[in-house]
Amino acid sequence: QVQLVQSGTEVKKPGASVKVSCKTSGYTFTNYYMHWVRQAPGQGLEWMGIINPSDGTTRYAQKFQGRVTMTRDTSTSTAYMDLSSLRSEDTAIYFCAREQAGTRWFDPWGQGTLVTVSS
Amino acid sequence: QSVLTQPPSASGTPGQRVTISCSGSSSNIGRNTVSWYQQLPGMAPKLLIYTNNQRPSGVPDRFSGSKSGTSASLAISGLQSEDEADYYCAAYDDSLNGYVFGSGTKVTVL
Repeated sequence: QVQLVQSGTEVKKPGASVKVSCKTSGYTFTNYYMHWVRQAPGQGLEWMGIINPSDGTTRYAQKFQGRVTMTRDTSTSTAYMDLSSLRSEDTAIYFCAREQAGTRWFDPWGQGTLVTVSS
Repeated sequence: QSVLTQPPSASGTPGQRVTISCSGSSSNIGRNTVSWYQQLPGMAPKLLIYTNNQRPSGVPDRFSGSKSGTSASLAISGLQSEDEADYYCAAYDDSLNGYVFGSGTKVTVL
C-alpha cells in the first residue's frame, strides 16, 4: 500500500536549518506531486510548497520564499524539505502529502515530523 | 489568519446531523474545487472529500460535501463518537498561486 514515512523529531536552535525527509513506497514516486504542509501547536494547516518529483520543479508559498528548499531523490523515492534561518515561530509539525497531478487534493499524508525551535 | 473561514466548533449528539461551512472568495473556492480533511487527535490529516463532493473509498457515506459559489460545506449525518475530530477545508487560490486551508472546525459529540 501507499506509504509516506517521515523522519523523526528535531530540536534546533534559532538561526539553524532543518531537513525533513519523506520516504515513499507503494507507488511510482515520479508520477505524483509532493506537498509540504505545517501545523503550529494548536493551530491550523499551512501550505508551504510543492515539488514535482519527475523534474524537480518547485513552487513555494510566498511566506517561505528564500527560506525553504524542496528537493527529491528519485533513486530512493524520497522527498526533502529544508527550512533555514529557523525561529521560534517555526515550531510545528511538518507533513508531506501526495497529490495526483492536477487533482488538487492531498492523499495520503505522512505521519508528521515535529520540529522544535528553542534556544 | 486563514484565507478560508470555518466556524471554530460544532457539536451534536449521536445520530444527529452536523454541518460545517467553509467560506472563501472568487480566487479560491469560486474558481477551484474544494477538499475536506479529518484530523483525529494526534494524527495526520486524512482525506475525507475531494472535488467538492466525492468520497474516497473507505469513507462512510455519512460524510457528504457540497459547494455553491464561494462557499462549501461538509455534512456529517448520523453523528458517531469516532467523528470527534478537527475538520479542514482546502482549495487552490489563483491569486496566491498556492493552496489555502480553512481555520479548522472542532467537532464534539455530546
